[in-house]
Amino acid sequence: EAQVTQNPRYLITVTGKKLTVTCSQNMNHEYMSWYRQDPGLGLRQIYYSMNVEVTDKGDVPEGYKVSRKEKRNFPLILESPSPNQTSLYFCASSGLARISSYGEQFFGPGTRLTVL
Amino acid sequence: RKEVEQDPGPFNVPEGATVAFNCTYSNSASQSFFWYRQDCRKEPKLLMSVYSSGNEDGRFTAQLNRASQYISLLIRDSKLSDSATYLCVVNKGQNFVFGPGTRLSVLP
Repeated sequence: EAQVTQNPRYLITVTGKKLTVTCSQNMNHEYMSWYRQDPGLGLRQIYYSMNVEVTDKGDVPEGYKVSRKEKRNFPLILESPSPNQTSLYFCASSGLARISSYGEQFFGPGTRLTVL
Repeated sequence: RKEVEQDPGPFNVPEGATVAFNCTYSNSASQSFFWYRQDCRKEPKLLMSVYSSGNEDGRFTAQLNRASQYISLLIRDSKLSDSATYLCVVNKGQNFVFGPGTRLSVLP
């Protein structure tokens, strides 16, 4: 089954304790992305990757890191989490349709993170 | 001005009604446009892409007006299962920008 998986689905942690949220897709997609969703603010893009070893900042990258060592995986790293990073996080992937146009994004089920 | 703006909602409509959602975007260089739906606490899922000539998928019709930087979604004969939040999405180069969403409740 074609899918995007994220782990963990729920996480409660404390300020400053490094954590990693994993994301994996089995559709051989080039494009992968991380979003956070907050009430009243909608989904905001954190980082994205056009392919292996290619990552770029989205609109809200501060406090986050990513890596893309393999095509299927795109982990999100919070080196020193803070309470303002409490949010619902989504990973997504997409096959690139044309240079100037992008295909459907497939989203993972989300990770609900609480930083105390 | 926000990069992508949508009707604030919520929209509460009876079954069978026709409902229209509006979306405006600020980046005139945007090339890709989409409508996604998101059920409560679930991941967004693509409803339909929006093409320059307009496109229809069953009860759903999407329109794009590049001159006015405006996208619309029309839902005809609404069903209870259409209750969800509808998200307008526009690309900004290689980024995607999501609108805040418009919540729809279809009432029996």
